[in-house]
Amino acid sequence: GAGVSQTPSNKVTEKGKYVELRCDPISGHTALYWYRQSLGQGPEFLIYFQGTGAADDSGLPNDRFFAVRPEGSVSTLKIQRTERGDSAVYLCASSLRSTGELFFGEGSRLTVL
Amino acid sequence: EDQVTQSPEALRLQEGESSSLNCSYTVSGLRGLFWYRQDPGKGPEFLFTLYSAGEEKEKERLKATLTKKESFLHITAPKPEDSATYLCAVLLKRYGGSQGNLIFGKGTKLSVKP
Repeated sequence: GAGVSQTPSNKVTEKGKYVELRCDPISGHTALYWYRQSLGQGPEFLIYFQGTGAADDSGLPNDRFFAVRPEGSVSTLKIQRTERGDSAVYLCASSLRSTGELFFGEGSRLTVL
Repeated sequence: EDQVTQSPEALRLQEGESSSLNCSYTVSGLRGLFWYRQDPGKGPEFLFTLYSAGEEKEKERLKATLTKKESFLHITAPKPEDSATYLCAVLLKRYGGSQGNLIFGKGTKLSVKP
């Protein structure tokens, strides 16, 4: 497909488990972003990649959260020792440049029981 | 602290009843202001970028305007398919370049009844 693809679309896990969320950006987009959205809130920035490197990871809430983009395309957001407060929709977006005109995927809904 | 505030939180209109959504911002340096539309269960969809006070952008029934302190999204003669949450976001200017991430408001949920 031509859009940003995120898998899984839904993930239910138990408190303390490890979770990986995958993002496949639009081909050719060098900038990739992860955001988190809770119910009734706007998206909250987590991390931004320019190519393979994390240009800004200031939004990651703590060291349980980590993201990689080893080949400058697909990215994985990794959450260790999940907590109930991690429950949210995790949105991935990509863009040609860091201009703010982002193309978002449909998100991965994470529920931690 | 950089902040984006949207009002109202929710807005219910009759089809054809024009109105405006507000986005006020307090930021250290504005690189651009963005409007997105979000449908339930979907990711946000880009609508407009505004860069400087006085700038206006239009798309179908929507028109976005920008001042030094706020932006408005005007909806003219809305239709039921315009029902969605409208998000405002700012891109900050940081010493010599743009910060990559957007700061979003909480959004305005618009419902348009036939």
